[in-house]
Amino acid sequence: TQLLEQSPQFLSIQEGENLTVYCNSSSVFSSLQWYRQEPGEGPVLLVTVVTGGEVKKLKRLTFQFGDARKDSSLHITAAQPGDTGLYLCAGAINRGGGTSYGKLTFGQGTILTVHP
Amino acid sequence: DADVTQTPRNRITKTGKRIMLECSQTKGHDRMYWYRQDPGLGLRLIYYSFDVKDINKGEISDGYSVSRQAQAKFSLSLESAIPNQTALYFCATSGRQGDYGYTFGSGTRLTVV
Repeated sequence: TQLLEQSPQFLSIQEGENLTVYCNSSSVFSSLQWYRQEPGEGPVLLVTVVTGGEVKKLKRLTFQFGDARKDSSLHITAAQPGDTGLYLCAGAINRGGGTSYGKLTFGQGTILTVHP
Repeated sequence: DADVTQTPRNRITKTGKRIMLECSQTKGHDRMYWYRQDPGLGLRLIYYSFDVKDINKGEISDGYSVSRQAQAKFSLSLESAIPNQTALYFCATSGRQGDYGYTFGSGTRLTVV
């Protein structure tokens, strides 16, 4: 059972377009992270969100954490070829009582291709 | 030097062979993890260790074993490799607030023929 559902799985767009990637679960997260992975390398952390409703911006990337802490989105404005890669969301599941065990569950990833 | 170093980067081995993947980190973190990545399946947790004396199975531990030789070193072994263990393997480390971000190695591409 996939605890974290990412959509879409594949995204192919032209340079300059905007896009949104979604990460959804029926579980409540104590925190949620987004990673970017390039071929031949490990995932690299982009951002961590911890508060329901939180919005964080990283240049042209905007990350939002849902109010109920069950979902998140990544929005890229004016995509560039350098944004091409695999984007992964990962959540630490809240096991009630607010205690996180530090283990992350990963979504299956979104492969983004930005064409010049 | 990289914060998390994995060796080897690539390995081809035969069915039935024992193989060890090694990982070392310079972050000074207590927690270390081994993940497996397959296309369309994201990253799946094989084993994790919250300190040298604490080792736990993840969701897909069958056919794998681990050893935490020191705070900085965590190795993964395939006792008798089989073709469906062909995958990308990643080691990661985190601080005690593990949900605040992992640092990953560059991965080992393992092919079992």
